[in-house]
Amino acid sequence: EDQVTQSPEALRLQEGESSSLNCSYTVSGLRGLFWYRQDPGKGPEFLFTLYSAGEEKEKERLKATLTKKESFLHITAPKPEDSATYLCAVPAVFYGGSQGNLIFGKGTKLSVKP
Amino acid sequence: NAGVMQNPRHLVRRRGQEARLRCSPMKGHSHVYWYRQLPEEGLKFMVYLQKENIIDESGMPKERFSAEFPKEGPSILRIQQVVRGDSAAYFCAVGRREDTGELFFGEGSRLTVL
Repeated sequence: EDQVTQSPEALRLQEGESSSLNCSYTVSGLRGLFWYRQDPGKGPEFLFTLYSAGEEKEKERLKATLTKKESFLHITAPKPEDSATYLCAVPAVFYGGSQGNLIFGKGTKLSVKP
Repeated sequence: NAGVMQNPRHLVRRRGQEARLRCSPMKGHSHVYWYRQLPEEGLKFMVYLQKENIIDESGMPKERFSAEFPKEGPSILRIQQVVRGDSAAYFCAVGRREDTGELFFGEGSRLTVL
């Protein structure tokens, strides 16, 4: 069965203290790995797509990387506004289905203190 | 996300009542995904619909839940005879393009069952 596991569940950082979030997956035939950000009371917001091992994507203080079994979301010099829950997801294997049928991890809740 | 409108934002129902959640995707999108986020759990895919067709309902509970996306009007997620375990945030999403895991999510509808 396809699985997505994120760690840690929660992470507290001081402003400027860089760190990484982990997403490990076991899927039969990866068709992309997706990172989302979710603020309290809001819907998830798409951040990155990674398709192959070795691929990297960057956006402001965030950089996502992908290996054959896991992905990392690196946060460099975070600011309080980076506080959110970060979710990773992979498409479920479904014959003839859409890639929008995603299996999400439970997320990492990031808190950045000033 | 302003491109996917959901209503109501909050809905309170007593056990045994019916809940109807509506989703209006941005113009030009003829498909929607519904997801559910239970407290302390991750986002779970429920159903993928195109206009007048259910494409993938592999995540829908077998009883009491139904979804439709008529030719005219919003997509409706209907929950009959609600129970306390149905209390959750229900999100609607559209793909940034066809067949992608890059989704635009709405703000969600939060159902509370008393």
